[in-house]
Parts: sequence; C-alpha cells; structure tokens
Amino acid sequence: AQSVTQLGSHVSVSEGALVLLRCNYSSSVPPYLFWYVQYPNQGLQLLLKYTSAATLVKGINGFEAEFKKSETSFHLTKPSAHMSDAAEYFCAVSDDYKLSFGAGTTVTVRA
Amino acid sequence: NAGVTQTPKFRVLKTGQSMTLLCAQDMNHEYMYWYRQDPGMGLRLIHYSVGEGTTAKGEVPDGYNVSRLKKQNFLLGLESAAPSQTSVYFCASGLGLQSGYTFGSGTRLTVV
Repeated sequence: AQSVTQLGSHVSVSEGALVLLRCNYSSSVPPYLFWYVQYPNQGLQLLLKYTSAATLVKGINGFEAEFKKSETSFHLTKPSAHMSDAAEYFCAVSDDYKLSFGAGTTVTVRA
Repeated sequence: NAGVTQTPKFRVLKTGQSMTLLCAQDMNHEYMYWYRQDPGMGLRLIHYSVGEGTTAKGEVPDGYNVSRLKKQNFLLGLESAAPSQTSVYFCASGLGLQSGYTFGSGTRLTVV
C-alpha cells in the first residue's frame, strides 16, 4: 500500500513569511500526489496535484509544490503567508482506486 | 452544480441506534468514497465504490455498511452505533485518481 508522512502536525508562521509544509511518500509505482486544504468546519478542497507532468506544480491561492523523486518528497510552499492561509493541510497519494491521506498539518498565521 | 451533498450535517445518536448517511453527487463521477476524520489521524477510508452497484472495503470498515444502487448516490449505514463511531464523516467523488476528489462538507456524528 502507498502512504504519505507529513512532518510536523503544527506549523506557526508570521504573516508575510514563507510557508513550508513537508510531505514524504512511499510508493512502489509512479504516484499521483495531492495537497488539500481544510478550513474550519468545511470539507477538503484541492490545492494542487502532481500527475507526472511538470515536477513543479502551481496551485490555487499562491501555493506550489515540487515533486522530488530522489527524496520521495512533495513539499508544499507559499512565499508569503496570509492570515487566510490558517487551515489544516493534507498530503495524499494515489493507492489503487483511492487516495491515502497523511495525518495533516495545522497552519497558524501570526499577525 | 451542487457538487457533493451530504445529509444530515449533524446528528446525535444513542448507543445501539442505527442511521444512514446520504451522499449525492451531480457530476456523473464513477468513484465515490466514505472517509472518517478524527483528530490527529487524518482521513481514514471506510468504504468505496468504483461504479454503480459496486462497493469495497477500505481500511476501517467494521461497523459500517454501504450501498450504491444509483450512480449518483452512496449511502453509509451504521447498524448499531457505538461511541467509537463519533467522528466527522466525509463523502468524496471523482472521475479517477488523476483528477483528485471533490469532497462534501461533512457530517458530524456524535454517539452517546
């Protein structure tokens, strides 16, 4: 089975600072990889996805992620955090007919 | 388009009661999924369906049953609710893995 590990359950950043969320995957085949965001009391929303095209993937709200096969990583970044980025973020990997999700990283943005 | 609609949004059950959660999608998606979300554990797959009339077990299927009689609907049943089933339940649907999922807004279930 494929899986992902998100490093750090909580990340706190200052407004305007870099946001970096780490995700490492385990997959025996070329994976599809995803980042989702969940705002309080809402469902998950797709931020971006990697499907074996470009290794640097741009998503919504200024986020991007880079697929690095040698490091089995798919870290999510945003150059400048905004207060509206406060949410929980989930990394996911394709696994047969389904996605397997990481445990999530909660982002807090300090004014 | 409504996307993925879950009903109800909130429910409180007593131990031993039964209930059905309904998921409806209007995007003609083949694949549908039920996940539960618990603090610190991410999303865990309960059951899923790869097409009308098909269902399969996920990683935490015990205590749940599902049915997909119509392509647009995926029902999750709890026959005899237990406090351990207190959770937030999410339904999702998709055309295929490459496109990702569309999620519903969730059902918050409390079993007392």
